[in-house]
Amino acid sequence: QVQLVESGGGVVQPGRSLRLSCVASGFSFSSYAMHWVRQAPGKGLEWVAVILYDGSNKYYADSVQDRFTISRDNSKNTLYLQMNSLRAEDTAVYYCASTKVGATRLPDYWGQGTLVTVSS
Amino acid sequence: DIQMTQSPSTLSASVGDRVTITCRASQSINTWLAWYLQRPGKAPELLIYKASSLEAGVPSRFSGSGSGTEFTLTISRLQPDDFATYYCQQYNSYPVTFGGGTKVEIK
Repeated sequence: QVQLVESGGGVVQPGRSLRLSCVASGFSFSSYAMHWVRQAPGKGLEWVAVILYDGSNKYYADSVQDRFTISRDNSKNTLYLQMNSLRAEDTAVYYCASTKVGATRLPDYWGQGTLVTVSS
Repeated sequence: DIQMTQSPSTLSASVGDRVTITCRASQSINTWLAWYLQRPGKAPELLIYKASSLEAGVPSRFSGSGSGTEFTLTISRLQPDDFATYYCQQYNSYPVTFGGGTKVEIK
């Protein structure tokens, strides 16, 4: 079955960097767009970024544009999120999510998330 | 950006109740709307996509309707497992945006 496992979260100081990973299994990873969505503690869902199946196009939320970079390695079935210049407001659980065929803007199956805490 | 507004933000109901949650978009999104359920400490789960299409494996007591700017999620008979937070999401255009959530609590 579809499985998405995020890792790389932790406590980081403001201004520092962190890279999240999401390992996919149970489906043809290289055929699907992938998303990152985050959720601050006690808050709602906030979309972060998407990358198309072949990495040809990427889109970002304004709040992370120019600081975060989404990428993928289809040979390793792995999605990444490089987060630079981290701020306190980036503290959240970060989820990766796969999509449906022909619906690249629709996150359908989500991983269990990894917590990023930005604090001095 | 398209703003998504859910109402109510909290809803108290009993097992067996019929429950309706509303989601409004700040501009037309056709039927590019999804609904998710999130239980505490868990990842969101897709319930409905394209406004009214039931995701595989989702019980038929869940249904969605609407188009343009007004949408509803209905749970026909609330079950104990349904007490959770529900989010709508538009995927008409980037950035993808979510509603603020509706928490369904036990009355």
